[in-house]
Amino acid sequence: EPEVTQTPSHQVTQMGQEVILRCVPISNHLYFYWYRQILGQKVEFLVSFYNNEISEKSEIFDDQFSVERPDGSNFTLKIRSTKLEDSAMYFCASSESAGGTDTQYFGPGTRLTVL
Amino acid sequence: DAKTTQPNSMESNEEEPVHLPCNHSTISGTDYIHWYRQLPSQGPEYVIHGLTSNVNNRMASLAIAEDRKSSTLILHRATLRDAAVYYCILRDHRDDKIIFGKGTRLHILP
Repeated sequence: EPEVTQTPSHQVTQMGQEVILRCVPISNHLYFYWYRQILGQKVEFLVSFYNNEISEKSEIFDDQFSVERPDGSNFTLKIRSTKLEDSAMYFCASSESAGGTDTQYFGPGTRLTVL
Repeated sequence: DAKTTQPNSMESNEEEPVHLPCNHSTISGTDYIHWYRQLPSQGPEYVIHGLTSNVNNRMASLAIAEDRKSSTLILHRATLRDAAVYYCILRDHRDDKIIFGKGTRLHILP
């Protein structure tokens, strides 16, 4: 069964450093998402992406964050200058269609630890 | 976004059915009812969704009240692998993002 993959599984970085989290969505999917989950808290929506542009973003997704689909298979989340509070699990998801009837498929996550 | 209310936690015995309730009294006519679950140390996983009629798939059944103000996720025969946090989510038909609540932590007793 096709699945969303994410690399790395764990990233440790120093505060102020840039990180890039990578995702390979399911191949025929057109809609891509990033979510994050701080330890012990709810899963939070960050951004949705379609047709090479952001379709929606949350208040969390400020100027420090950016997303890109650099080629036909990868979808990346960049955090320009990491802060301690960016430590969280970051989940990528993809879906074939959009709207309230679609199914989003989530990857296993990248655990980001900012020291 | 319309809100859902779920119990914080539930327990069930292995190999027995589990009924996970969800209240959504402010649901609108265009809201779909979705259920996702999150196994320990994993990403969320789609379980089932519906609009008005009851739905069945290989994972579970979704029973939707006639007034749509509540729904129940039914796991017909729980296994230890079903221990997870179960999220009941309302999504407008135009809404791409998923807004997760705290969900119900389901414990399965062997």
